[in-house]
Amino acid sequence: QVQLVQSGAEVKKPGASVKVSCKASGYTFTSYYMHWVRQAPGQGLEWMGIINPSGGSTSYAQKFQGRVTMTRDTSTSTVYMELSSLRSEDTAVYYCARGQQLVTWGQGTLVTVSS
Amino acid sequence: QTVVTQEPSLTVSPGGTVTLTCASSTGAVTSGYYPNWFQQKPGQAPRALIYSTSNKHSWTPARFSGSLLGGKAALTLSGVQPEDEAEYYCLLYYGGAQLVFGGGTKLTVL
Repeated sequence: QVQLVQSGAEVKKPGASVKVSCKASGYTFTSYYMHWVRQAPGQGLEWMGIINPSGGSTSYAQKFQGRVTMTRDTSTSTVYMELSSLRSEDTAVYYCARGQQLVTWGQGTLVTVSS
Repeated sequence: QTVVTQEPSLTVSPGGTVTLTCASSTGAVTSGYYPNWFQQKPGQAPRALIYSTSNKHSWTPARFSGSLLGGKAALTLSGVQPEDEAEYYCLLYYGGAQLVFGGGTKLTVL
């Protein structure tokens, strides 16, 4: 079955970077786009960007331009989301979600930014 | 900055009907925005319900339907069940691979 398994929780200091992974299984990795979405505590969903695992092309939400980098490793069917210059407002659960319709979601990765 | 607006909260009685809407700050929502709807319960990842305005996934209960209504995307629940109590999010596509979520609607079944 299709599964997305994300890396574990992270605690980072302001100004640092975090890299979250999302390992896909159960389907052809390069056939489906992957989105990244985050959700701050008690808040709504926020779309961050998308990566095409086939060629590696990306598109980021304007808000995160210059601070986010999405990459993929086809040999391990894993996509990565790296967010730099972290601030307290980046404390959130980060999700990967598969396909144009975001049908399958990872379990989420809590990133806490605190001094 | 594009803003997608949903009702912050709605309350419906069991067995009743409720319509949630999704508006865009850029103007009328059309099928070209490929509206998607998601359901999220506390402590869970979101679950996809509707794509491209009105298409259901295989797991979407028949009581959920999507449409365009008065320049907005809409999600209608008919014959609401207690388990439908959740947060609902719409997602709109703006072209150039830019997507925006609505702020979410907290649906209470009471």
